[in-house]
Amino acid sequence: KNQVEQSPQSLIILEGKNCTLQCNYTVSPFSNLRWYKQDTGRGPVSLTIMTFSENTKSNGRYTATLDADTKQSSLHITASQLSDSASYICVVSRTYGQNFVFGPGTRLSVLP
Amino acid sequence: GAGVSQTPSNKVTEKGKYVELRCDPISGHTALYWYRQSLGQGPEFLIYFQGTGAADDSGLPNDRFFAVRPEGSVSTLKIQRTERGDSAVYLCASSLAGLHTDTQYFGPGTRLTVL
Repeated sequence: KNQVEQSPQSLIILEGKNCTLQCNYTVSPFSNLRWYKQDTGRGPVSLTIMTFSENTKSNGRYTATLDADTKQSSLHITASQLSDSASYICVVSRTYGQNFVFGPGTRLSVLP
Repeated sequence: GAGVSQTPSNKVTEKGKYVELRCDPISGHTALYWYRQSLGQGPEFLIYFQGTGAADDSGLPNDRFFAVRPEGSVSTLKIQRTERGDSAVYLCASSLAGLHTDTQYFGPGTRLTVL
């Protein structure tokens, strides 16, 4: 079954600290993996997109990694800011079709 | 427009009624996607349009759901005989060409509540 799991379900950190969010998937055949940030009441915003051959990609303070062998990805946030408080969603797309499988998200809260 | 827009932002209806949700994609984007997001969950794929045609509708839950994009821009998601389980936020996204690595730009969503 094509699934995407994320951990932790929720996370609370202090402003300025770093954190890492995890994503495991069983989607096959694999095309690419995306991380999105979704603020409450808003649509998701793309952070990174990685294909099979890419194992790391950065977007400012966000760095995503991909291990296609173990089917794991992580999103590392450096020097967190209050505005980083949001849900972070991992999405895997299959090679054929436009069927995207979304994870349930990790709810991050950054406190002052 | 500057981004993807969706109307209405909120829709409350009664069980059994018919609803239409509208999506205006970014101008020039040929690919358009509909998703459904339940509270505390990630979005669930419903349907994908490439131009005017539905290229992949495998995510539509049943035949009460239907979507059109007659001129290749605006799309309407139609739900017949609504049920309480249809209550969710319906998200629309568009991308330039629908390539696997294209960035999808999401609208703010329509929150549908079926009483």
